[in-house]
Amino acid sequence: DAGVIQSPRHEVTEMGQEVTLRCKPISGHNSLFWYRQTMMRGLELLIYFNNNVPIDDSGMPEDRFSAKMPNASFSTLKIQPSEPRDSAVYFCASSLGAGANSPLHFGNGTRLTVT
Amino acid sequence: QKEVEQNSGPLSVPEGAIASLNCTYSDRVSQSFFWYRQYSGKSPELIMSIYSNGDKEDGRFTAQLNKASQYVSLLIRDSQPSDSATYLCAVNRRARGSTLGRLYFGRGTQLTVWP
Repeated sequence: DAGVIQSPRHEVTEMGQEVTLRCKPISGHNSLFWYRQTMMRGLELLIYFNNNVPIDDSGMPEDRFSAKMPNASFSTLKIQPSEPRDSAVYFCASSLGAGANSPLHFGNGTRLTVT
Repeated sequence: QKEVEQNSGPLSVPEGAIASLNCTYSDRVSQSFFWYRQYSGKSPELIMSIYSNGDKEDGRFTAQLNKASQYVSLLIRDSQPSDSATYLCAVNRRARGSTLGRLYFGRGTQLTVWP
């Protein structure tokens, strides 16, 4: 099993630019999660999908952030326009089911730096 | 009050000792509990899950759950330098009226095992 695949691994961009992060979940998993991790705030859930439908986006910081899941094998997280405070590691994770007992499998993350 | 609280550490123990990591959670309806290990620069990986009161052992790891006290712990016996990492406590609970769960993470406890 290839695991959760994220791209790019690193992204450096200038303030105001659009950033798109990509994720391919584990085949067969029907729940997908986007997390952001910083030293100050730890691991924060941004949004999660179940069967390609957004279930909870209450963690999305503001309108500059958007996420899509057009099919079961692909999701994107877009930031437009980006700001220096968006600098963080963004993790995508997937699980089989979204019930209370479903553990998450994380991708390797995208380290975003906005200058 | 945060959903999940952990001592940030750092916790430092000598090789061969028992490392004890603690976690409290705020919502009594929480249903399942996980410990993730995160090496520096890497993604979190699941090491233990526990769903009912009591102890659960897996090799050198023991998870303990006390729902009355809203307390979860992880014991690492015979600690090794390779156990040096940040340990994240995660708590999953279903939203009211939903079958879907959401995972809340603590900020993590940094553990160092010195030879």
